[in-house]
Amino acid sequence: GQSLEQPSEVTAVEGAIVQINCTYQTSGFYGLSWYQQHDGGAPTFLSYNALDGLEETGRFSSFLSRSDSYGYLLLQELQMKDSASYFCAVRDLGGGFKTIFGAGTRLFVKA
Amino acid sequence: ETGVTQTPRHLVMGMTNKKSLKCEQHLGHNAMYWYKQSAKKPLELMFVYSLEERVENNSVPSRFSPECPNSSHLFLHLHTLQPEDSALYLCASSQESPQGANTGELFFGEGSRLTVL
Repeated sequence: GQSLEQPSEVTAVEGAIVQINCTYQTSGFYGLSWYQQHDGGAPTFLSYNALDGLEETGRFSSFLSRSDSYGYLLLQELQMKDSASYFCAVRDLGGGFKTIFGAGTRLFVKA
Repeated sequence: ETGVTQTPRHLVMGMTNKKSLKCEQHLGHNAMYWYKQSAKKPLELMFVYSLEERVENNSVPSRFSPECPNSSHLFLHLHTLQPEDSALYLCASSQESPQGANTGELFFGEGSRLTVL
């Protein structure tokens, strides 16, 4: 089977740095993605890691360790608009193209 | 129109009704998906269509019936639903390459909020 674990909620203050962790168990693994979803909105793609290491895109960075089945999303210089849900997702090619999502982490950014 | 559009945005139906959700993508993608999103649960993958052929059916009850008439359109036909089927139904599309050698970035619609009474 497939499962992803991430914290349900994280709270941080404006300007701070926050890390959202994700561990996964899958039958097939091709890469780890992160998506952001604001209330009432559609999930939007943030990043993708297929290889071990850190990928940086502006204030957001994503890390993957395949040997540990672990990844994280790092958000720097937090802004109020970063308050949203963040989902890690595994790209699994077993039986066709599939992206399997975690339950999401609700991030609250306070002034 | 750009991106992925879903209609209707909101739907209320009785358990004996038959209704359909519609999804249209204007991105030229070759794969489309239905996901179910319930509160505090992971997005559940329901169906995958690649090149208009269903390649995944994630043990979804037969009261949900997908249809993909072409690469730009995807439907989810609903009949005799249960109250626990109330959720946000999200459509997504992606451009898949052979062997999946890309990110598989999903482009989502805004979703159809379904309430079953």
